[in-house]
Amino acid sequence: DTGVSQDPRHKITKRGQNVTFRCDPISEHNRLYWYRQTLGQGPEFLTYFQNEAQLEKSRLLSDRFSAERPKGSFSTLEIQRTEQGDSAMYLCASSFQGDSNQPQHFGDGTRLSIL
Amino acid sequence: KNQVEQSPQSLIILEGKNCTLQCNYTVSPFSNLRWYKQDTGRGPVSLTIMTFSENTKSNGRYTATLDADTKQSSLHITASQLSDSASYICVAGTGGFKTIFGAGTRLFVKA
Repeated sequence: DTGVSQDPRHKITKRGQNVTFRCDPISEHNRLYWYRQTLGQGPEFLTYFQNEAQLEKSRLLSDRFSAERPKGSFSTLEIQRTEQGDSAMYLCASSFQGDSNQPQHFGDGTRLSIL
Repeated sequence: KNQVEQSPQSLIILEGKNCTLQCNYTVSPFSNLRWYKQDTGRGPVSLTIMTFSENTKSNGRYTATLDADTKQSSLHITASQLSDSASYICVAGTGGFKTIFGAGTRLFVKA
């Protein structure tokens, strides 16, 4: 099954440390999304790439957060100087641009815990 | 303000019973309505997608309905199974890549 892959699945770190997550989308998908999900809530949009271009960023994405998608394939999400409020599940999704009515395919997320 | 509201927040049913989950959305422009199933610790998985011109769509024991006039959708689960225990998330598409997620309904199916 060549679905969306995220790494690591779990990350525990101390407050103030930097963390980086990776997402490998479905290979033919040119759209890639990052979401954050806290317990009991639906995913909240963070940012969106079309190919290698980052076209939209939520105001939730403070300047401590940065995302990249070099070469339009995999993507990384980095959080600098982590805070306890950053503890959440970070989900990546991908989709094909051709039809906006196509579903987003989600990875199983990276669960971040800040000590 | 674009938003999606789901009810109930949680639901407990016995195995084999049917149930219906509700979703009200206020988004503009509106392009499609999606239902996802999310198992604990996993990413959401798409169940159905309906455009504004579709009234109903089925996926096995899951049937979604859409009333674009009242901006309401429902997800009906028939003959529930223990594996149906999950969160069900309603998502409204606003055009292009933008989507608005509801908080989900947590379904517990008991033996």
